[in-house]
Amino acid sequence: GNSVTQMEGPVTLSEEAFLTINCTYTATGYPSLFWYVQYPGEGLQLLLKATKADDKGSNKGFEATYRKETTSFHLEKGSVQVSDSAVYFCALTSEGNTGKLIFGQGTTLQVKP
Amino acid sequence: EPEVTQTPSHQVTQMGQEVILRCVPISNHLYFYWYRQILGQKVEFLVSFYNNEISEKSEIFDDQFSVERPDGSNFTLKIRSTKLEDSAMYFCASSVSRFGNTIYFGEGSWLTVV
Repeated sequence: GNSVTQMEGPVTLSEEAFLTINCTYTATGYPSLFWYVQYPGEGLQLLLKATKADDKGSNKGFEATYRKETTSFHLEKGSVQVSDSAVYFCALTSEGNTGKLIFGQGTTLQVKP
Repeated sequence: EPEVTQTPSHQVTQMGQEVILRCVPISNHLYFYWYRQILGQKVEFLVSFYNNEISEKSEIFDDQFSVERPDGSNFTLKIRSTKLEDSAMYFCASSVSRFGNTIYFGEGSWLTVV
């Protein structure tokens, strides 16, 4: 079945550093891809999404491009802030487009002032 | 912005007791889900629900679990006889459709079984 692998965390960066969190997937068909963020003590919030190859999702300075040739959806941000400290989850829709999401392990990002 | 709301935010229960977690999905959404996240682990799918019936469930969703939409707004998850390993954050979610649409999550209900 469909699956997703994220880079291990935690990732610790200084404020204004460049962020990349790697996400690769295995899928049949054409899944939609998502990044969700979980701030401390809160639920899951959609950060961005892409529904077809070469789509770029973007929000709050974060970007990710749906790369079918490398089966990747890496999350990037040019300049992180302390307020970006959170757990980031890559996810994709399951095979058969049942609506179910399959999540990666999550990557904890800590940004220091 | 419309949101999925969940109650309670935190519940402590004794092993063997029944627990009901409640959710109010976004009003025009038709697909409803429960996920769970054991502390420090990935978010796992439990069940999806559409048109008043379960459309998919995972291996985790055994006979101890049930879901219900008792009225036009609430969506509940019942755990019949809780076990220690049921301790987790339970997320309710909803979406307009199942084809690539965004799934919106609630803030979660943290269940502690003692």
